[in-house]
Amino acid sequence: DIQMTQSPTTLSASVGDRVTITCRASQSISSWLAWYQQKAGKPPKLLIQMASNLESGVPSRFSGSGSGTEFTLTISSLQPDDFATYYCQQYFSRYSFGQGTKLEIK
Amino acid sequence: QVTLRESGPALVKPTQTLTLTCTFSGFSLTTSKMCVSWIRQPPGKALEWLARIDWDDDTSYSPSLETRLTISKDTSKNQVVLRLTNVDPLDTATYYCARLTAVSHAFDTWGPGTLVTVSS
Repeated sequence: DIQMTQSPTTLSASVGDRVTITCRASQSISSWLAWYQQKAGKPPKLLIQMASNLESGVPSRFSGSGSGTEFTLTISSLQPDDFATYYCQQYFSRYSFGQGTKLEIK
Repeated sequence: QVTLRESGPALVKPTQTLTLTCTFSGFSLTTSKMCVSWIRQPPGKALEWLARIDWDDDTSYSPSLETRLTISKDTSKNQVVLRLTNVDPLDTATYYCARLTAVSHAFDTWGPGTLVTVSS
């Protein structure tokens, strides 16, 4: 099984901040990585697939990068709607998710 | 518009079999490359992928749960069914179904989820 590890687990930031979340895979997954945003009581929402491809309708302040075993999700200027939990997910071999990063208001 | 919705019991007793149904619209599981997966999330915890079924009836399962899971589809009803045998309180979770394609493999549309509690 491929293990996905996100850091940090919790991130405190303010509106307007630039934030970065890191996701590491236990083995190379090429670019087979997606990022999701989840708000309390709601299902996850797909933001980015293939490590850097932004889904239609997702604001351009979100971006993804990386390949192999290390990936990042960056939000260039935090908006109030962005405070949520973020998950990375690999689909190189079956599927597995990171443990999540909770983005909190500072 | 693609939609999915999960249904099933809210409460199940330990050792029983949990049966969940995903009813979807806006796409067909007879269309090449279309797939549906089940994912669960225990309260306050991370997402866990469970199973996938493809347009061509191919299936795949989480290695840790493979012996307890069965996924099937009824294309005439636009439904996917997940069965989990011998449930335990650790199986308490919100269960989601989601669509994906065999091209992108990312879960692009999710149902709202259904909370299942395992308790005697």
